[in-house]
Parts: sequence; C-alpha cells; structure tokens
Amino acid sequence: EIVLTQSPATLSLSPGESATLSCRASQNVYSHLVWYQQKPGQPPRLLIYDASIRATDIPARFSGSGSGTDFTLTISSLEPEDFAVYYCHQRSKWPRTFGQGTKVEIK
Amino acid sequence: EVQLVESGGGLVKPGGSLRLSCAASGFIFTTYTMNWVRQAPGKGLEWVSSISSSTEYIYYADSVKGRFTISRDNAKNSLFLQMHSLRADDTAVYYCSRDLRVGATRDYWGQGALVTVSS
Repeated sequence: EIVLTQSPATLSLSPGESATLSCRASQNVYSHLVWYQQKPGQPPRLLIYDASIRATDIPARFSGSGSGTDFTLTISSLEPEDFAVYYCHQRSKWPRTFGQGTKVEIK
Repeated sequence: EVQLVESGGGLVKPGGSLRLSCAASGFIFTTYTMNWVRQAPGKGLEWVSSISSSTEYIYYADSVKGRFTISRDNAKNSLFLQMHSLRADDTAVYYCSRDLRVGATRDYWGQGALVTVSS
C-alpha cells in the first residue's frame, strides 16, 4: 500500500501568514493526489484535486503543486476560517490511502 | 442539491454486526463510484471501501477485508456497508462519499454515522 507522510504534524501560524504543507508518497502517484480540509464535527472538504486544480468554490489563496512522490499545499494568506486539519489522499492505486494530517493552528 | 445521508450507526458489542446505509439524492446515482471512509475519535481519515457504479469493481482496506461488505441498490439510490466481527478499533464515524470522477470538480460527503464497538 502507498504510504503518505505529511509534514509538519502541526503548523502554528498567525492570520495573514502563509502556510506550506508537505505530503510525500512512498511510491509514484503521478498527479492522482487530492487535498482535503476538515474542521471539527464536519466531513472533509475537497480543496485540490489532480495535485494542483482547485475544487469548486475554493478560494485562490489555496494552491497545490507537485507530482510523483512530493506534493505541497500552500495557503497564501491565512484567514481565520483556514485553521483546520489538512489531509492528502492518493487516488492512484488501490487501496486508497490518506496522510495522517497536518493541523494548522492559531499561534 | 446533492445529499448523502448515512443511517444505521449505533452501539454494538465486540463480535457483533451492523449495517450502515447511505441514501443518495440530487444526482444520477447509477453513474458514480461510491465510497466509505471512517474516522476514529480524534484520529485521521481512513479509506474503508469503494464500489463502482455497476458494482463491477469493489475494493476494501486490509483492515476490514473479510469482515465488511459494501453493496449498492441502484434502483433505490442507496449504498450499504455490512459490518461483521466488529472490534473496538472499528469504532469511528463512517462517512459515505460520492467519488470524484474524471471531469468533475468536487466530491460530496455525508455528515457521517457513529459506530461504537464496546461491551
């Protein structure tokens, strides 16, 4: 199974700062990688698919990059509503897998 | 409006069984792969199982293979997860989701059903 390793586990930042989240895959997943945001008590919300394409209604401050085994989610200027947990998820091979998550918290 | 509503969660004893349902509406159910994803309390997301639109392809996580069975009733726009031999580590919120297919720009998730396995 493909293991996705996210770093850092926690990111402590202030509103207005930028956030850079990393996801590394144990095998080549090409561009078949998505990013989700999850807030407490809510289901995940799709942010980015195919590694770099913003999903419907996702603000432009969210961007994704990478291919193969190394991926990055960047939030250019954190808004108060962006403090949440972020997961990467590979859709390249079965079984599908998720990373363990990165928590973006208010500093 | 796309809606996915899970039901059937609850408290069950170790070794017991439970059947989750997901009622889908607002889209052509028969054309989408559907998924179950779970989240243990305070933990991350874990993909559980997926079923293709025509049921031709079915996949399971190793952690549930042989114990869980995914199915769908396309006539009733419903997705199911039959769970047997439940263990404490199956305790989680179980989400039903509509898969992100080629050409789509978003996926959809239900609000989740809590399954608690405890004596």
